[in-house]
Amino acid sequence: GENVEQHPSTLSVQEGDSAVIKCTYSDSASNYFPWYKQELGKRPQLIIDIRSNVGEKKDQRIAVTLNKTAKHFSLHITETQPEDSAVYFCAASIARGAQKLVFGQGTRLTINP
Amino acid sequence: KAGVTQTPRYLIKTRGQQVTLSCSPISGHRSVSWYQQTPGQGLQFLFEYFSETQRNKGNFPGRFSGRQFSNSRSEMNVSTLELGDSALYLCASSLTGGDYEQYFGPGTRLTVT
Repeated sequence: GENVEQHPSTLSVQEGDSAVIKCTYSDSASNYFPWYKQELGKRPQLIIDIRSNVGEKKDQRIAVTLNKTAKHFSLHITETQPEDSAVYFCAASIARGAQKLVFGQGTRLTINP
Repeated sequence: KAGVTQTPRYLIKTRGQQVTLSCSPISGHRSVSWYQQTPGQGLQFLFEYFSETQRNKGNFPGRFSGRQFSNSRSEMNVSTLELGDSALYLCASSLTGGDYEQYFGPGTRLTVT
């Protein structure tokens, strides 16, 4: 079945630096790739997503890139701020009517002031 | 628009009991998915409902079941509770599923003793 691997499991960066989180997926039929941010005790919050017909998408300090050939996608956060500290989850879905997100194991990102 | 809501927020049950959790999607959203979140297994897909029909199901035993009502509200039921069922149960709604954005509720924290 579908599997999503996410690396690293923990990431610590200095405030103002960039952070990169990488995911690989197993099912080549996957065509929808959202990223969620989950702060402690809160619900996962959708921060950005990308569909398979697009290679890159940007939203202010956040960008996601997709390489369909290699079956991997990445989240890039630039100019990190303390409020970026959270657990980030990538997910993949074969979006044909029915919806099923398969999540990576998560990355705990810590921004050091 | 109001977000996804879930009730109850916290629940303590004893092994062998059963439990019903409720989810109200964002107004206009017809797809509701359920996920189990644990520290060890991460976020795992339980099932997805659309127009009162289960469209997709994850790899959970038959003790886990759900349903959706004509107003898109959904319930999930866990029978014969086990200690390992202790988890945060999250529901998420999207417009119609597929590659539409999925938004999460705050979750129900279930503790089985």
